[in-house]
Amino acid sequence: SQQGEEDPQALSIQEGENATMNCSYKTSINNLQWYRQNSGRGLVHLILIRSNEREKHSGRLRVTLDTSKKSSSLLITASRAADTASYFCATVASGGSYIPTFGRGTSLIVHP
Amino acid sequence: DAGITQSPRHKVTETGTPVTLRCHQTENHRYMYWYRQDPGHGLRLIHYSYGVKDTDKGEVSDGYSVSRSKTEDFLLTLESATSSQTSVYFCAISPSLHEQFFGPGTRLTVL
Repeated sequence: SQQGEEDPQALSIQEGENATMNCSYKTSINNLQWYRQNSGRGLVHLILIRSNEREKHSGRLRVTLDTSKKSSSLLITASRAADTASYFCATVASGGSYIPTFGRGTSLIVHP
Repeated sequence: DAGITQSPRHKVTETGTPVTLRCHQTENHRYMYWYRQDPGHGLRLIHYSYGVKDTDKGEVSDGYSVSRSKTEDFLLTLESATSSQTSVYFCAISPSLHEQFFGPGTRLTVL
């Protein structure tokens, strides 16, 4: 069963706009990770945020974590056509096996 | 995908036949994983390994077995393939139980 659930399932925007994806989860976590998957390829790790962190940045990516609401968001600023991909959140439960559990993903399309 | 390869990349097989998928890494990472990815289900863990000869079951392990006799190789075997095992299979490696690095995937079709 998935620990994290992404929202929305699909997102379509124009190049230059910002894209925001959300992830909700059910149990306490050690960390939460975001991955990107281009069509026909394997997943690529984007960013990891620990349970004691509230915000992290990496280039045009901004991730926030609200442990009280058990949710995270991924913001991609000034999106590009090359950002078209599926984005997955993966949660690592605290006190568990430390293996990430993946959600079903958000499909992002950025129109040029 | 650097440092991790999967073979074969595509396979079509008949129901009831055995199938072995291979994951090979050159990173010397301790942890290796097998996932399957299906529409509507996302990525689900089949088996994982935390060292040579040390493996454990994941969420969807029924019908699958694994072996890891060397650090660099992690084999996934379908003893008797069924149509429900048609899927895309991904291998992943990890040095530290945190971020994972994924292979390019194997598309398996069971007729």
